[in-house]
Amino acid sequence: GNSVTQMEGPVTLSEEAFLTINCTYTATGYPSLFWYVQYPGEGLQLLLKATKADDKGSNKGFEATYRKETTSFHLEKGSVQVSDSAVYFCALSPSNSGGYQKVTFGTGTKLQVIP
Amino acid sequence: KAGVTQTPRYLIKTRGQQVTLSCSPISGHRSVSWYQQTPGQGLQFLFEYFSETQRNKGNFPGRFSGRQFSNSRSEMNVSTLELGDSALYLCASSGHGANQETQYFGPGTRLLVL
Repeated sequence: GNSVTQMEGPVTLSEEAFLTINCTYTATGYPSLFWYVQYPGEGLQLLLKATKADDKGSNKGFEATYRKETTSFHLEKGSVQVSDSAVYFCALSPSNSGGYQKVTFGTGTKLQVIP
Repeated sequence: KAGVTQTPRYLIKTRGQQVTLSCSPISGHRSVSWYQQTPGQGLQFLFEYFSETQRNKGNFPGRFSGRQFSNSRSEMNVSTLELGDSALYLCASSGHGANQETQYFGPGTRLLVL
């Protein structure tokens, strides 16, 4: 079956540091890949997505590139802020699902940014 | 457009009771999925409804059930509550076409079972 593996957290960084959160996946075909973010006390919200190989998703200074050859979708940000402190989830949606999709989420990586 | 809403936001129950949670999707969305989130198990998929039919189901016991109404609003029910059912229950809706893969989450219902 499909699976998503994320790096263990928590990740603690100083403000303005470079962020990488690793994500690898197992799936057949060409799934769509997502990063969701969950701020304290809230539900998840879509951060960015990519639907085909070599696509780069980007939003709010975050980026992730769909790497088919390494089955990875690592999240990066050049300079983190305290307001980026949250839990980040990598996820995939199967290809050719015909709408009968079941999104698979990773376990989440907690990011804490200290001033 | 209004986002996904969930009611109630907080709930306290005792073991053996049952509970019903409600989710109203974004207007026009016909798919509603439910997830259980706990510190130990992370985010686990419960089930998904589309046009009043359950079309995906996770690995949860039969005590967990759901339904969807003709207006796409969904409810989930947990019977004979156990302490381990304490969790944040998240509902997500998705649309159609190019956006059918993106899930829009509500704020969740936090359930505490005593």
